Amino acid sequence: QKEVEQNSGPLSVPEGAIASLNCTYSDRVSQSFFWYRQYSGKSPELIMSIYSNGDKEDGRFTAQLNKASQYVSLLIRDSQPSDSATYLCAVNWNSNSGYALNFGKGTSLLVTP
Amino acid sequence: DGGITQSPKYLFRKEGQNVTLSCEQNLNHDAMYWYRQDPGQGLRLIYYSQIVNDFQKGDIAEGYSVSREKKESFPLTVTSAQKNPTAFYLCASGKGRDSDTQYFGPGTRLTVL
Repeated sequence: QKEVEQNSGPLSVPEGAIASLNCTYSDRVSQSFFWYRQYSGKSPELIMSIYSNGDKEDGRFTAQLNKASQYVSLLIRDSQPSDSATYLCAVNWNSNSGYALNFGKGTSLLVTP
Repeated sequence: DGGITQSPKYLFRKEGQNVTLSCEQNLNHDAMYWYRQDPGQGLRLIYYSQIVNDFQKGDIAEGYSVSREKKESFPLTVTSAQKNPTAFYLCASGKGRDSDTQYFGPGTRLTVL
């Protein structure tokens, strides 16, 4: 059973603080990891992808991957009220027919002014 | 203007009726996907297609059908066999082959009356 686990939250942080979102996964052979942001009533929007152990930075966002611990995280620096959304972690799995993604249920983030 | 379009945005269905949700992309992507999202449940994979005229069942395919006659189009039919079809339906596409990154359309919200 391929599972992706996230704390549902809500995670509340003050404006300007660092928000830390965490995700664990069960499939040891997974190779690709993604973070999506979803505003209420809207579709998911890709924020970052990460494939290798370590950190990957893109603007205010940093993704961290530890394959040995089966753990991926997303840090949001200088959090803004506009970052308030649900963040979905997705992990790939390979079938005989190609690639698909397993999604976590998402963590709700609230950035308070 | 490249992207993924879904129509309609909102759809109402009477019990016992089949309905078809449209998904079109002009990104020249080989792979297309259908997900269902329920409150608190995250995204669940219904069907996916890596190439024209071929598709595979996802985790919750029962009560749904798809076709992939053209690279640009991947319509989803919700049949009367689907007992609880009220949900937010999301279509995604990706390059497929060596890339598992997926991009989402705006979604269709289906309500059964």
